[in-house]
Formats: sequence, structure tokens, C-alpha cells
Amino acid sequence: DAKTTQPPSMDCAEGRAANLPCNHSTISGNEYVYWYRQIHSQGPQYIIHGLKNNETNEMASLIITEDRKSSTLILPHATLRDTAVYYCIVRGSGNTPLVFGKGTRLSVIA
Amino acid sequence: NAGVTQTPKFRVLKTGQSMTLLCAQDMNHEYMYWYRQDPGMGLRLIHYSVGEGTTAKGEVPDGYNVSRLKKQNFLLGLESAAPSQTSVYFCASRTGSNQPQHFGDGTRLSIL
Repeated sequence: DAKTTQPPSMDCAEGRAANLPCNHSTISGNEYVYWYRQIHSQGPQYIIHGLKNNETNEMASLIITEDRKSSTLILPHATLRDTAVYYCIVRGSGNTPLVFGKGTRLSVIA
Repeated sequence: NAGVTQTPKFRVLKTGQSMTLLCAQDMNHEYMYWYRQDPGMGLRLIHYSVGEGTTAKGEVPDGYNVSRLKKQNFLLGLESAAPSQTSVYFCASRTGSNQPQHFGDGTRLSIL
């Protein structure tokens, strides 16, 4: 599976949009981009995933570049509860499990 | 809807003791996974299963055994616990090839 690169940390003001970048320049055609977050020591929480089209759900939006080499997770109106470590993971189809990197620690500031 | 349930939530063991962690899912998922997370680090895959009766090794399988006798349950065993196995253990499950994994709340295990 393709590896991902994320900034180690980011800050965001409460109420503003949080834009979390992820580079996955070696992604192949059948690999999806998944985003998870982990709040404190809770279990990772699924946020969103996509293949090549932009995706939106009640939590966030996922923007994937046309060449699929990078993506951005957007939390439209960040709250203090969104403070967490965010993981961007690329995974192919079939039996391959998710492989977690170090993620981005997002701090939402009042 | 319980989702993924891990039992127990907390446990303290002495070195050399054995124990089994239980993961149960009520979503009829085919795939199940065991991860461990050490302080300040990401999750590392221990073992996984792609269906009832199957198991496979992950990144850090040494010192652990697993069984998937029933589709809804995935057991993680420590035969002789060591202090290096002090960690938080997370179970996850999913259905389908491109579907997301759903995680339990974790089991916090300390080995003295």
C-alpha cells in the first residue's frame, strides 16, 4: 500500500475550517484514501473515505486532487471536540488491513 | 446497536500469567483485527482474520495467539505475559473490500 505523509501538528481557531493535508504520491489506481481520528486514548473513529471523487458526509469533506497524489480533509466548523490525532491512510482492495502512521495532531483553540 | 465490544476494559497482570481478550461484533462483518497502541505511538497490527476459521499475522505477532471460531468473535491470547506487552489493545471489524474498519473502545492492559 502507498505510504502517506502528514504534518505532525496543526492549530485551528474554533469555528473556522480545519484543512488537514495528506500526500500519497505513490498511490495506485485501486487504492482508497481513508481518514480516521483518535481522541485521547479512545478507539479510532472513522471519518470518511474516497477513491477519486470528492466526498462529503455529516462530519467532513474529502477533497482528492485530480492526479490522486494528495488529499485534504476539511472540518467545516471546527470545535474544541475536534481536537484529536487525524490519520490519513491509503489502502487497496481485498484483505489488506489499515496501516496507521503517526498522523496529524490537530489542536482547536478557543 | 453495540458495534464492536471489547472485554475486559482494564486488566492488570503479573509477568508470566496468561489471559484472553475478547472482541465481539454484531454487524456480521467478515474481517476482524487486533492492534496494539503504545504511549505516544500509532496503532500496530498484531493479527487479523478474513473470515470465520481464518487468522493471519500482522506486523507484531510475537507473544500473541488468536482464534476465530465464530464469525462474531475474535480472541487474542497472551500465553505468558511480559512487561513489554503493556499497552492498549484495539479490536476492529469491517465488511466488504473497500469498507471502513470500525473500532472498539480498547482494552488497557498493564503487566507488572
